[in-house]
Amino acid sequence: GAGVSQSPRYKVAKRGQDVALRCDPISGHVSLFWYQQALGQGPEFLTYFQNEAQLDKSGLPSDRFFAERPEGSVSTLKIQRTQQEDSAVYLCASSGGVDYGYTFGSGTRLTVV
Amino acid sequence: QKEVEQNSGPLSVPEGAIASLNCTYSDRGSQSFFWYRQYSGKSPELIMFIYSNGDKEDGRFTAQLNKASQYVSLLIRDSQPSDSATYLCAVISGSYIPTFGRGTSLIVHP
Repeated sequence: GAGVSQSPRYKVAKRGQDVALRCDPISGHVSLFWYQQALGQGPEFLTYFQNEAQLDKSGLPSDRFFAERPEGSVSTLKIQRTQQEDSAVYLCASSGGVDYGYTFGSGTRLTVV
Repeated sequence: QKEVEQNSGPLSVPEGAIASLNCTYSDRGSQSFFWYRQYSGKSPELIMFIYSNGDKEDGRFTAQLNKASQYVSLLIRDSQPSDSATYLCAVISGSYIPTFGRGTSLIVHP
């Protein structure tokens, strides 16, 4: 597609509920990143894929967070047993190479109540 | 831990003035530097990137990189109210993973 597509745009989850956030990167982009952005803060790195390989997951805050990209295209970030502190905007970015920069999707705003 | 520091602001400038946004980073081995603009409620959008020491100009924007002093700055000439946004600095060190600062809020008042 022309840009990075994320869905849903907004998600309200009850505490303890599992959620799945989807990212569809720009076609042909090898690298895909997930970031978490709290209000008034910069994006915080969560995890990085190159094709289907998850090369770095050091930013995932707990084992409740899990990400996958099974076919090297669409990626899903799953959060199990959501807690209030998980409320944030989750941003996905893809890149065709450092020389081309990183393009962000519109994000998913997760609110845990 | 790799750190990217930005003054959160807000930085307030009059319309038509030059806005100067600064960013410092801790990893001396950092290689690539990006400036993003983020409007309230929107996702970051790339303004420009710079790899080499010196200045890089793109329209009203100039990025300046000084690796010896470990800072990168963004100058916006002829600032417009539509430039009012948060400006994020991102740095890449070693891996391909950008580390972001917290952003500087810019307000351009008529």
